[in-house]
Amino acid sequence: NAGVTQTPKFRVLKTGQSMTLLCAQDMNHEYMYWYRQDPGMGLRLIHYSVGEGTTAKGEVPDGYNVSRLKKQNFLLGLESAAPSQTSVYFCASSATVYMNTEAFFGQGTRLTVV
Amino acid sequence: AQKVTQAQTEISVVEKEDVTLDCVYETRDTTYYLFWYKQPPSGELVFLIRRNSFDEQNEISGRYSWNFQKSTSSFNFTITASQVVDSAVYFCCVNAGNMLTFGGGTRLMVKP
Repeated sequence: NAGVTQTPKFRVLKTGQSMTLLCAQDMNHEYMYWYRQDPGMGLRLIHYSVGEGTTAKGEVPDGYNVSRLKKQNFLLGLESAAPSQTSVYFCASSATVYMNTEAFFGQGTRLTVV
Repeated sequence: AQKVTQAQTEISVVEKEDVTLDCVYETRDTTYYLFWYKQPPSGELVFLIRRNSFDEQNEISGRYSWNFQKSTSSFNFTITASQVVDSAVYFCCVNAGNMLTFGGGTRLMVKP
């Protein structure tokens, strides 16, 4: 019972490099989210998706792009990494369009940009 | 827009003490949901409770209890007889309009 799986778990990038974080869920959830967690700031929503083929901006979308080509996968891309993007990234999914379902989170990806 | 404020950034207690984590939220929606998540040192996020805006009944689950007061926009979380395993960061969240917004978190340290 995998739930939400994030790949990779750790990564170090040089400024200006690009990378893609992969999130996969096996619960057939409609909603998927990408958050970043920084000390003292809780989790902030980067982008989210309400279904296959759809994406929307969250609170802090600049510098990131996303795609949801398949229902089970939600990709987060950094085209040109900056030190300000050093953070822990969490992917989450939830079952329905209703607000009352809890989100299930992946284990997180610790990204360092040097 | 919605916002969650957890004014206590860090709390330190001795085992067996009771502790209350404060949460104040803001939303213009009349229908919304409130959540608490726990993040232990291992880093994963664990769902603890969900409460909708129409249900102001307090809830108790073992040593955990939650006090929802719509009049003050607060959703406080109390741990009774704290244990070392309760040491974690706790997040309060509000969901209105399909966006889950987190507070800054409260780091709870329970010392033996």
